[in-house]
Amino acid sequence: EDQVTQSPEALRLQEGESSSLNCSYTVSGLRGLFWYRQDPGKGPEFLFTLYSAGEEKEKERLKATLTKKESFLHITAPKPEDSATYLCAPSLGADYGGATNKLIFGTGTLLAVQP
Amino acid sequence: KAGVTQTPRYLIKTRGQQVTLSCSPISGHRSVSWYQQTPGQGLQFLFEYFSETQRNKGNFPGRFSGRQFSNSRSEMNVSTLELGDSALYLCASSLTGQSSYNEQFFGPGTRLTVL
Repeated sequence: EDQVTQSPEALRLQEGESSSLNCSYTVSGLRGLFWYRQDPGKGPEFLFTLYSAGEEKEKERLKATLTKKESFLHITAPKPEDSATYLCAPSLGADYGGATNKLIFGTGTLLAVQP
Repeated sequence: KAGVTQTPRYLIKTRGQQVTLSCSPISGHRSVSWYQQTPGQGLQFLFEYFSETQRNKGNFPGRFSGRQFSNSRSEMNVSTLELGDSALYLCASSLTGQSSYNEQFFGPGTRLTVL
């Protein structure tokens, strides 16, 4: 069964205190792993897509990495405006047997960055 | 470039009524997926459409239905509303029908409250 687990559920950081969020997944034949940021009451905002183990992508203070079973979102020197829920979502794998855009979302990590 | 738009943004209905939500994807995008987001279950996949065809459906009762028009706009309908249908309904737009090398962008959502 396809499963996604994100940890920690919640994380409180001081401004400038770097940390990492984890996304563990079990998806047959991963086609891609998406990271989104979501602010309260809004739709998820696209951050990154990773497609193969070893791939890394960066955007400002964020860096996403991917292994065969996990993805990490590293936050370097965070600022209060980085406070949000971060969602990871593997795409359904090749074993599904057909083309699809279906994403399987984790429950997210609620990040709070205090000044 | 305009993003994904969803209408209405907020909706209040009573049990037993039906509701129709609309999603306009990014210009040129041909795929639309729908998700339900609740505090307890997180983001759950409802269905996806590509070129007016429903390709995949999540584990929701038949009261949930949708369609896609030739201009790629999509609607979802929920009949005989229940209290548990209260949620944020999100649609995601993507260029192609395959998650590989294909970014997906979410709209702001429609907040449905069932009384």
